[in-house]
Amino acid sequence: QVQLQESGPGLVKPSQTLSLTCTVSGGSISSGGYYWSWIRQHPGKGLEWIGYIYYSGSTYYNPSLKSRVTISVDTSKNQFSLKLSSVTAADTAVYYCAREESYFDYWGQGTLVTVSS
Amino acid sequence: EIVLTQSPATLSLSPGERATLSCRASQSVSSYLAWYQQKPGQAPRLLIYDASNRATGIPARFSGSGSGTDFTLTISSLEPEDFAVYYCQQRSNWPPGYTFGQGTKLEIK
Repeated sequence: QVQLQESGPGLVKPSQTLSLTCTVSGGSISSGGYYWSWIRQHPGKGLEWIGYIYYSGSTYYNPSLKSRVTISVDTSKNQFSLKLSSVTAADTAVYYCAREESYFDYWGQGTLVTVSS
Repeated sequence: EIVLTQSPATLSLSPGERATLSCRASQSVSSYLAWYQQKPGQAPRLLIYDASNRATGIPARFSGSGSGTDFTLTISSLEPEDFAVYYCQQRSNWPPGYTFGQGTKLEIK
């Protein structure tokens, strides 16, 4: 059974960089066949896909966030990470990591990140 | 970007009733559409993929239909645990991307 777990600071100051890591267990990122995504959900709102990474390191980002997003992978640790720069209060959300093979079949439980001074 | 519009925003029904949720795409997505269920404080759960295929472990009372721009999620007889928010999601091959509908809240009447 594949499991994903997000980790990282729950509070980030405006203009700083949000950094989160997703640790995958029960399956290997480097086995291929899946894309590994970050998705966020603003409080009480819908879902927004942020971007994905393949085990090889190839990435694709939501054009609306592309200028501020970096997703990386560490196959030795079976982890992938999200960095979102120059955050504002509008980036306050629950951030999920998820596995994708056309659709998102496994999700982390989500982590709330609040942007506030 | 393909926009998904879900209706209704809120659906009030009683256990045992039939629920019909709609998702309309701004342009054809063929059958590349999924449905998710989200309960408070939980991550979304994949219910239906490729418009009509149930994901692993999903009860038979959930079914999906449609293609092109109009899709439907049907719950044949509502159980108490089915009251939640439901999202549709599409994937684009090129440029790669995924969008979600705004959600339908299924509440107990």
